[in-house]
Amino acid sequence: GENVEQHPSTLSVQEGDSAVIKCTYSDSASNYFPWYKQELGKRPQLIIDIRSNVGEKKDQRIAVTLNKTAKHFSLHITETQPEDSAVYFCAASTAGGSYIPTFGRGTSLIVHP
Amino acid sequence: EAEVAQSPRYKITEKSQAVAFWCDPISGHATLYWYRQILGQGPELLVQFQDESVVDDSQLPKDRFSAERLKGVDSTLKIQPAELGDSAMYLCASSPRIESGTEAFFGQGTRLTVV
Repeated sequence: GENVEQHPSTLSVQEGDSAVIKCTYSDSASNYFPWYKQELGKRPQLIIDIRSNVGEKKDQRIAVTLNKTAKHFSLHITETQPEDSAVYFCAASTAGGSYIPTFGRGTSLIVHP
Repeated sequence: EAEVAQSPRYKITEKSQAVAFWCDPISGHATLYWYRQILGQGPELLVQFQDESVVDDSQLPKDRFSAERLKGVDSTLKIQPAELGDSAMYLCASSPRIESGTEAFFGQGTRLTVV
């Protein structure tokens, strides 16, 4: 089955800096890569996603890049704000008979004012 | 805005007791997932339904866990008997149907503590 590795497990930045979270996946058949943000005590919520036919996608301060050859994808947050502090999860889904998102272990992002 | 409903929000139970969680997905969503999230880790899939049928339960510890979605709408996850290692957040999620590239919407989860 799919295996998703996520790094770093903890990321501490100053307000205004950029943050980058990286994930690798194992199944070359995966073709959908969502990113979820989970604030303390709340449910995971989708913040951005990318499909395998696209190399990069941007939404305001958030961008995601995908390298299918190397089987890795990254989340980039620019001009970080304290409210960006949360746990971020990447996921990969395998094409085929069923769609089962496999999640990374998460990155705890702390943005210091 | 439609949301996935879960109950209870919190549950404390003694080991060896039975416990059950309920999930009501977003109306019209055919696909329903149960995930377990241990503190500090990502969600791990326990079972996936498409309508009333189980699509994948390969990671469900079937000796103690069971899940059903009898009418293809709401779902129940049961643990019997509960063990200390079952303490975790149990998340339910739904999506419109099985296909690549469909967002999963999560409920608030049930925080289980086994004592």
